[in-house]
Amino acid sequence: LAKTTQPISMDSYEGQEVNITCSHNNIATNDYITWYQQFPSQGPRFIIQGYKTKVTNEVASLFIPADRKSSTLSLPRVSLSDTAVYYCLVGGHQAGTALIFGKGTTLSVSS
Amino acid sequence: GAVVSQHPSWVICKSGTSVKIECRSLDFQATTMFWYRQFPKQSLMLMATSNEGSKATYEQGVEKDKFLINHASLTLSTLTVTSAHPEDSSFYICSARPGGTHGGDTQYFGPGTRLTVL
Repeated sequence: LAKTTQPISMDSYEGQEVNITCSHNNIATNDYITWYQQFPSQGPRFIIQGYKTKVTNEVASLFIPADRKSSTLSLPRVSLSDTAVYYCLVGGHQAGTALIFGKGTTLSVSS
Repeated sequence: GAVVSQHPSWVICKSGTSVKIECRSLDFQATTMFWYRQFPKQSLMLMATSNEGSKATYEQGVEKDKFLINHASLTLSTLTVTSAHPEDSSFYICSARPGGTHGGDTQYFGPGTRLTVL
C-alpha cells in the first residue's frame, strides 16, 4: 500500500483558497487518490477522488500531475466550518482492500 | 454518496462487560466492511476486515478473541468488544466499499461509536 506524506497542519483565513499537497511516491498503476475530511468525533467524510489530471466537484478540486507521485486538494474560499483534519489516501480496485490512513493535515481556519 | 450507519453512537459500560457495535450499509450491499479504531488526537487505525459469510481478517496486534466480528449479511457487520477494559475506550469507526460501478477504492465511513469503559 502506498504511503502518503502530508503537512501536519495548515492555517488559513476565511475566504482564502487552501491547497493541501500530498506526496505518494510509490503509487501503483491501479491506485486511485482519495481525500477525506474528518471533524472531531465523526467518521471521515468523502471529499473527492481522482486518478489523473484534474477532478472538480461542488466542494473541492483535485490536481494530479502526470507522474501521479503527488496530488493537491484545493478548497476554494474556505470558511470556519472547513476547520478539520484532511486525509489523503491511495488505494486500488482490489476487492477487500482497506484504506490505510496516514496522519492527515489539520486545517485551522480563522476569521 | 453511499450511506453507512452505526449503532450505538456512544456507549458507556463497566469493565468486564461486552459491548456490541453494529455497522450497516443503508443503500448498497457490501461483501466487505472494515473496522477502524481512533484514539484522541490520532489517526484511524485499521483493526480488521470483515467478510460476509467468512471469518474476519485481523491486523497484526489486534486480538481476534477480544474483538469479535460477525458479517452475517451483505448490509450488516457487528463488532463485539468482549470483556472490555478502560484501555479499550476509543472511537470505533466502520466503513464499507460499494462494488460495481462506483469505481476506485471509495470507502464510505460510518459516523463512529464512542466507547467508554469505566
